[in-house]
Amino acid sequence: NAGVTQTPKFQVLKTGQSMTLQCAQDMNHNSMYWYRQDPGMGLRLIYYSASEGTTDKGEVPNGYNVSRLNKREFSLRLESAAPSQTSVYFCASHPGLSSGALHFGNGTRLTVT
Amino acid sequence: QQQVKQSPQSLIVQKGGIPIINCAYENTAFDYFPWYQQFPGKGPALLIAIRPDVSEKKEGRFTISFNKSAKQFSLHIMDSQPGDSATYFCAASAGAGSYQLTFGKGTKLSVIP
Repeated sequence: NAGVTQTPKFQVLKTGQSMTLQCAQDMNHNSMYWYRQDPGMGLRLIYYSASEGTTDKGEVPNGYNVSRLNKREFSLRLESAAPSQTSVYFCASHPGLSSGALHFGNGTRLTVT
Repeated sequence: QQQVKQSPQSLIVQKGGIPIINCAYENTAFDYFPWYQQFPGKGPALLIAIRPDVSEKKEGRFTISFNKSAKQFSLHIMDSQPGDSATYFCAASAGAGSYQLTFGKGTKLSVIP
């Protein structure tokens, strides 16, 4: 049981380049999330998808777009990367039950030079 | 505006000691308070969670204490072990069916033998 899988694990981009971070979950969860983690800043929500077909902005959405491709997959796109987007990105999923836990992937470490 | 304030930023204890991590929140609508544990190179994982209808919850060596009037909650780790060395995040969310967690900035715990 893989849980939440993120690809790639590491990526280096130059300023202005674009890329898509991929996330897939095999737990049949309804909700999916993208967080970024920066030193001393905790985890900040970028975008989320409460269910297939819906997406909403979180705390720090500027510079990002998302696509909920189907129930399993939720991608995060950087159209024109900036050094301020250097971070570790985590995808997470939630079953949508009141007693359920947020399940995280192991992250994508992105460096923008 | 930081809605969940976590302290200390880092903590070093001897094996067998009882590290305590504190969190305070501002939003009185918060009704779910989980703690996540994160090891280097991994995503956060749910450790223990509490709802405001109880003042304490224990799971193994981990205890959450909750003070609704003070809007504070804390994590205690009994008989701490070197394997407990990790970063711990408190979090909070509001409303049934809402899984948009607001995270504290994290506490890096080191348990030395």
